[in-house]
Amino acid sequence: DAGITQSPRHKVTETGTPVTLRCHQTENHRYMYWYRQDPGHGLRLIHYSYGVKDTDKGEVSDGYSVSRSKTEDFLLTLESATSSQTSVYFCAISEGTANYGYTFGSGTRLTVV
Amino acid sequence: AQSVTQPDIHITVSEGASLELRCNYSYGATPYLFWYVQSPGQGLQLLLKYFSGDTLVQGIKGFEAEFKRSQSSFNLRKPSVHWSDAAEYFCAVGSLEYGNKLVFGAGTILRVKS
Repeated sequence: DAGITQSPRHKVTETGTPVTLRCHQTENHRYMYWYRQDPGHGLRLIHYSYGVKDTDKGEVSDGYSVSRSKTEDFLLTLESATSSQTSVYFCAISEGTANYGYTFGSGTRLTVV
Repeated sequence: AQSVTQPDIHITVSEGASLELRCNYSYGATPYLFWYVQSPGQGLQLLLKYFSGDTLVQGIKGFEAEFKRSQSSFNLRKPSVHWSDAAEYFCAVGSLEYGNKLVFGAGTILRVKS
């Protein structure tokens, strides 16, 4: 989607290294989310943000941290990558309350070897 | 806590046949319900959503879904499937009580036979 971009699109990293994934939006939406997608689990929420410097944990937040210093950018950091964090990561944005739904980025495929 | 169940992991239908994908949710208050579609290697695209009003909602690509509160269901339907509909479909639920977060089902992979 043109209003939301994720980088990188693909990354291979070694166990124990730090990794940062970036989500950038041009829609000026207040809410931003990070999900991971794994077969059989659908999408699970890692962290989300409801404004600059306002973030909260999702259901699978262990091993992840986030930062949001500007409205347009939401960073996801794996402090010390593990093989269990091999996944496809999706960023999503929402302009308001839950009934608005999300717009998703194209995803980042992360492989931890 | 909210939860979403999509009972069918895979479904195969013939091109031109009708389709119904099942979705059941567990939630106490008024839910907001969504169907998303994901083509291989792509992000998720919103097909349709329900949050109030008419319980039969129309979406893009000829899809519709019906909200049945008594059955806690929000099944997705299409009268005639096209080969291009082959994708993975996700049902999601949200609510104001649970904050502005969506909970997703595990997904249903649709295969279309020619």
